[in-house]
Amino acid sequence: QQQVKQSPQSLIVQKGGISIINCAYENTAFDYFPWYQQFPGKGPALLIAIRPDVSEKKEGRFTISFNKSAKQFSLHIMDSQPGDSATYFCAASSGATNKLIFGTGTLLAVQP
Amino acid sequence: EPEVTQTPSHQVTQMGQEVILRCVPISNHLYFYWYRQILGQKVEFLVSFYNNEISEKSEIFDDQFSVERPDGSNFTLKIRSTKLEDSAMYFCASSVLYEQYFGPGTRLTVT
Repeated sequence: QQQVKQSPQSLIVQKGGISIINCAYENTAFDYFPWYQQFPGKGPALLIAIRPDVSEKKEGRFTISFNKSAKQFSLHIMDSQPGDSATYFCAASSGATNKLIFGTGTLLAVQP
Repeated sequence: EPEVTQTPSHQVTQMGQEVILRCVPISNHLYFYWYRQILGQKVEFLVSFYNNEISEKSEIFDDQFSVERPDGSNFTLKIRSTKLEDSAMYFCASSVLYEQYFGPGTRLTVT
């Protein structure tokens, strides 16, 4: 119930292509869905987040699509660049404590 | 831009020893968290802290773990008697409400 399932585990995209990472959840109490970017040896960096009252949020090249009925959300990285190569984690939280439940991560490699 | 800082960046300790990991959250934030990440795995929630008390803790956060906000700026995680399986990256995070900002982490190696 508390899990967030993330796919794919790894992804290779050509420079300029679109990277798509998917997540699914079961707990309908989740009400906040962030995406984090992590480079090796660094802490997760908040990239973009969405609440369930909207179906899409865009910030620059990054877009979250949210499907409340399917309990799924995805990250789209447009015009992917080699500098985007990192591990991406989706997460979800609910309630007063705001604890984040993380997905298992997607290792993205953008080839030049 | 304000950021969460953590010290030390790397701590090596022997099994059974006590360690204290330190964090300075972003100054106007109200919620504080500790997470850990075992090498190559996902980030796992340990504990959240609000208004000078624990608001939630995970199953990982047993009696060997404690947190403290000893003054207005620091937030610490203590592990009383470390085990080999405590070896991981430990991340501190803070938030005003929902948006959590993570520190760079402390790599804890228990030998």
